[in-house]
Amino acid sequence: DIVMTQSPDSLAASLGERATINCKSSQNVLSPSNNKNYLVWYQQKPGQPPRLLIYWASTRESGVPDRFSGSGSGTDFTLTISSLQAEDVAVYYCQQYYISPSTFGQGTKVEIK
Amino acid sequence: QVQLVQSGAEVKKPGASVKVSCKASGYTFSTYSIHWVRQAPGQGFEWMGVINPSGDTTSYAQNLQGRVTMTRDTSSSTVYMELSSLTSEDTAVYFCAREAARGLYYSDYWGQGTLVTVSS
Repeated sequence: DIVMTQSPDSLAASLGERATINCKSSQNVLSPSNNKNYLVWYQQKPGQPPRLLIYWASTRESGVPDRFSGSGSGTDFTLTISSLQAEDVAVYYCQQYYISPSTFGQGTKVEIK
Repeated sequence: QVQLVQSGAEVKKPGASVKVSCKASGYTFSTYSIHWVRQAPGQGFEWMGVINPSGDTTSYAQNLQGRVTMTRDTSSSTVYMELSSLTSEDTAVYFCAREAARGLYYSDYWGQGTLVTVSS
């Protein structure tokens, strides 16, 4: 199985600051047939199911604020929150869907400093 | 709007089985596959398997083969996940989730989750 490793496990940033979360896959998730990275990012708040933020590593889901952006390719990916808001406090997960079984990172907890 | 509504929390004894339902609305049920994912307390996510739109094809995580069964009832737009031979390690919140696009194993809509507790 592909192992997804996120860093850091947690971070605290001030309101309005940039927050960056990294995700590294143990195998390449870039498909040579369509040149797409099979990587998504979710946000999960306590007691709620995950919310899809980003798919194809960098495509924002409809309705997601543009302060959220995804980047990276191959095995190294980043989720950036450009200006942290109070409502962004949550745990963020990456997931690869290139090779079955689909696998998730362990999560990164984002808090306000 | 798309909604996936799951059945309520369950408490089971070791060795028993549990069946969780997931009722879909707000979209054409027969068009999308449904995945099941679980989250142990304080832990990350584990993909359990998927059932295709017509319900005639399933794919399960290797470590759950033989213990998990996914079915769907088109007449009621409901998907079911049954897990047998439960142990304490099966204690988790179980989510159903709609496959975002055919053949792509990520999800755009999720159920609210069902807590299954296995305890003697």
